[in-house]
Amino acid sequence: GAVVSQHPSWVICKSGTSVKIECRSLDFQATTMFWYRQFPKKSLMLMATSNEGSKATYEQGVEKDKFLINHASLTLSTLTVTSAHPEDSSFYICSARSSLGKDQPQHFGDGTRLSIL
Amino acid sequence: AQRVTQPEKLLSVFKGAPVELKCNYSYSGSPELFWYVQYSRQRLQLLLRHISRESIKGFTADLNKGETSFHLKKPFAQEEDSAMYYCALRGGGYQKVTFGTGTKLQVIP
Repeated sequence: GAVVSQHPSWVICKSGTSVKIECRSLDFQATTMFWYRQFPKKSLMLMATSNEGSKATYEQGVEKDKFLINHASLTLSTLTVTSAHPEDSSFYICSARSSLGKDQPQHFGDGTRLSIL
Repeated sequence: AQRVTQPEKLLSVFKGAPVELKCNYSYSGSPELFWYVQYSRQRLQLLLRHISRESIKGFTADLNKGETSFHLKKPFAQEEDSAMYYCALRGGGYQKVTFGTGTKLQVIP
């Protein structure tokens, strides 16, 4: 089946540093990838939709300059949390949808737990 | 705007009892509805989708446009069904997916 790999799975860093999270579709091409944030015991909140070769579409309230998204190829999207602060600590999950057709479901990565000290 | 509501945060049932996880949605167009499941320490995975009209692991869900619902049902709960279940709706120009807040299903042996 379709596999989405997310790396790293867990990262701890100091306040003020930038952190990059990678999302790869391993056995399919994904025109569209999605980035979610999940707070403890809460649902997944869509942060942005990443389209290969074009700018990401951010949801209302999500800072574009804070959460940089790059989708340079059909199998890789990256989320960079710039100048991270403790309030950015969260669980970030990516998903990818095959470019074969609009009826394709989303496949999720394992998520990245980000802890900012 | 699209919205998904799962009214129950926790649903506890005994093994062998029927299960119904509720999901209601609001969307102005024709939505696609999904159920995702997340077992303990595992990734979110697709359970079923309304357009497939299939039964996965004994679960079924019927889209009721009149009631704007997509409840997930299983006649006899099993212990391995214990997990978090998320109802999701796909719509909009970019086909973005909106998730409900999730329901934790706890099957008591």
